[in-house]
Amino acid sequence: AQSVAQPEDQVNVAEGNPLTVKCTYSVSGNPYLFWYVQYPNRGLQFLLKYITGDNLVKGSYGFEAEFNKSQTSFHLKKPSALVSDSALYFCAVIPGGVTGGGNKLTFGTGTQLKVEL
Amino acid sequence: KAGVTQTPRYLIKTRGQQVTLSCSPISGHRSVSWYQQTPGQGLQFLFEYFSETQRNKGNFPGRFSGRQFSNSRSEMNVSTLELGDSALYLCASSKLEPNTEAFFGQGTRLTVV
Repeated sequence: AQSVAQPEDQVNVAEGNPLTVKCTYSVSGNPYLFWYVQYPNRGLQFLLKYITGDNLVKGSYGFEAEFNKSQTSFHLKKPSALVSDSALYFCAVIPGGVTGGGNKLTFGTGTQLKVEL
Repeated sequence: KAGVTQTPRYLIKTRGQQVTLSCSPISGHRSVSWYQQTPGQGLQFLFEYFSETQRNKGNFPGRFSGRQFSNSRSEMNVSTLELGDSALYLCASSKLEPNTEAFFGQGTRLTVV
């Protein structure tokens, strides 16, 4: 069975500094990896995904993520954090290449990002 | 285009009652999944429907059920509510292929008293 680990419950960063939110995964075969963000009392918003190809993927709001197969990681990054980036971030995985496997997302436990002035 | 719509946004129910939540997916999306979000358990997959058929099911008791209609709209039902069922229930719609992203509704906040 697949799993996702987000080792940090909370990440604090000053506005203007780079940020990294960590994610590691375990899945049979090739993974489809996703990052979502959740603001208070809201649903999840899609940020970016890795399916295949270039290991560095770019997404919404200046976020990017680097897929590292050997380390089974998919860390979320942003060069310069904004106070408005403060939210709950989720990493998720679907086993790739599974015919008829469906769209069942397995989520990590989430990382609360706090960006301070 | 219109996003995923979940109704109602908030519900308060008494233990032992049943509840039905509704989800209207994005036009053209035929896959609808349901997730339960709680502070203790995080985001947990309930089930997925595609073309009116349940395609995947999570590890929840039989009190949790769902269905999908021919227009792709979906409902989930929870019978004999327990206090532990209090949660944010999220619906996600997506295309058939798993390499496409899911779009989530704002959720239904269910409180069981």
